[in-house]
Amino acid sequence: SYELTQPPSVSVSPGQTASINCSGDKLGDKSACWYQQKPGQSPVLVIYQDNKRPSGIPERFSGSNSGNTATLAISGTQAIDEADYYCQAWDSSTAYVFGTGTKVTVL
Amino acid sequence: QVQLVQSGAEVKKPGASVKVSCTASGYIFTSNAIHWVRQAPGQRLEWMGWIYGGNGNTKYSQKFQGRVSITRDTSASTAHMELSRLRSEDTAVYFCARGDGYLQHWGQGTLVTVSS
Repeated sequence: SYELTQPPSVSVSPGQTASINCSGDKLGDKSACWYQQKPGQSPVLVIYQDNKRPSGIPERFSGSNSGNTATLAISGTQAIDEADYYCQAWDSSTAYVFGTGTKVTVL
Repeated sequence: QVQLVQSGAEVKKPGASVKVSCTASGYIFTSNAIHWVRQAPGQRLEWMGWIYGGNGNTKYSQKFQGRVSITRDTSASTAHMELSRLRSEDTAVYFCARGDGYLQHWGQGTLVTVSS
């Protein structure tokens, strides 16, 4: 079965850029998206179709996807960005797959 | 605005079945798919399957094939997820979500506890 791997944790200082990688075989050939999830809450879509932001998501969230890696970047990270982040990919053969998840800590 | 409202928490015994509902509003129910995603305590999100609101076509994760059934009632704009032969490892929050390729709107989640 298809797998997406993320680092378990990423630490970042306020105002700096946090980068989260998501690795999967030929991930760049699929459509990738990212969700933010805070404790006790439902996930929130922050990036879709590799690099698009839904309405209401701050510009500091950006995404890219190429080769075997998709990346979520949070520039000018704020305390409110502290959360778990999950990548997700889709195509007709793999259906929907979520990554292992990354806890972002703002120190 | 789009809303997905799920049914309340459930407690079930091992071997039983559970049925969770998800009622949609704010968009045309038949124009999108409804997905089911679960999250065990402290664990990652896990996709279970989807149903297309228009024609009722379904697709399930291989992990749950044979144990999960997703149906819909277009007159009530509601999707249902039934999981059978429950075991303790099925204790989780179950979410419904709307989308095609990505999941833009999510329900509030339903806690299902499996315990003897």
